[in-house]
Amino acid sequence: DVKVTQSSRYLVKRTGEKVFLECVQDMDHENMFWYRQDPGLGLRLIYFSYDVKMKEKGDIPEGYSVSREKKERFSLILESASTNQTSMYLCASSIKRTSGSFDEQYFGPGTRLTVT
Amino acid sequence: AQSVTQLGSHVSVSEGALVLLRCNYSSSVPPYLFWYVQYPNQGLQLLLKYTSAATLVKGINGFEAEFKKSETSFHLTKPSAHMRDAAEYFCAVSGGQGAQKLVFGQGTRLTINP
Repeated sequence: DVKVTQSSRYLVKRTGEKVFLECVQDMDHENMFWYRQDPGLGLRLIYFSYDVKMKEKGDIPEGYSVSREKKERFSLILESASTNQTSMYLCASSIKRTSGSFDEQYFGPGTRLTVT
Repeated sequence: AQSVTQLGSHVSVSEGALVLLRCNYSSSVPPYLFWYVQYPNQGLQLLLKYTSAATLVKGINGFEAEFKKSETSFHLTKPSAHMRDAAEYFCAVSGGQGAQKLVFGQGTRLTINP
């Protein structure tokens, strides 16, 4: 079974702190993604990565950065946490396909981050 | 640009009744379409996917969805609801030519009444 793990299920941080969210997948997937989930807004893509050391901005990258030093690990960084970053953060991974095919994403359990 | 609209943020049905969750998409290329389910305090789990083979797709837990190109729809159905189906459901469309990302709808919370 594909397994995507996230470092914490619940996290409470103070405004201005630097926050690291870690995601690890064990299926040798090339693609990795970070989303935030808010009620009524669904999942919004923050950043994604197609390969080691590669990253691309998603729809809402402001206030976030990412790091992918190893294929299995994708980190989300909040440089200076703010209260409007209180949310559920979901990591996902998928196989990188050539054109004509598209694989589903596999999700981790999520990290519920509260910034006070 | 790709987009997904889920009609109804909340749907409530009685146990044993038909479940119908609506999803309409917009895509500039032939789409791949997905339904995911999220149980409380968990990540998303794939229910089913459409990848241009059969237009009627069967998934896990008795769910199925029909791809209708003329209506740009991919509605999710289950003939008889069970209490364990209470969850949030997300429809998603592939991100366009060459893109490896998904675009998600806003989600529909399904409540099952005993």
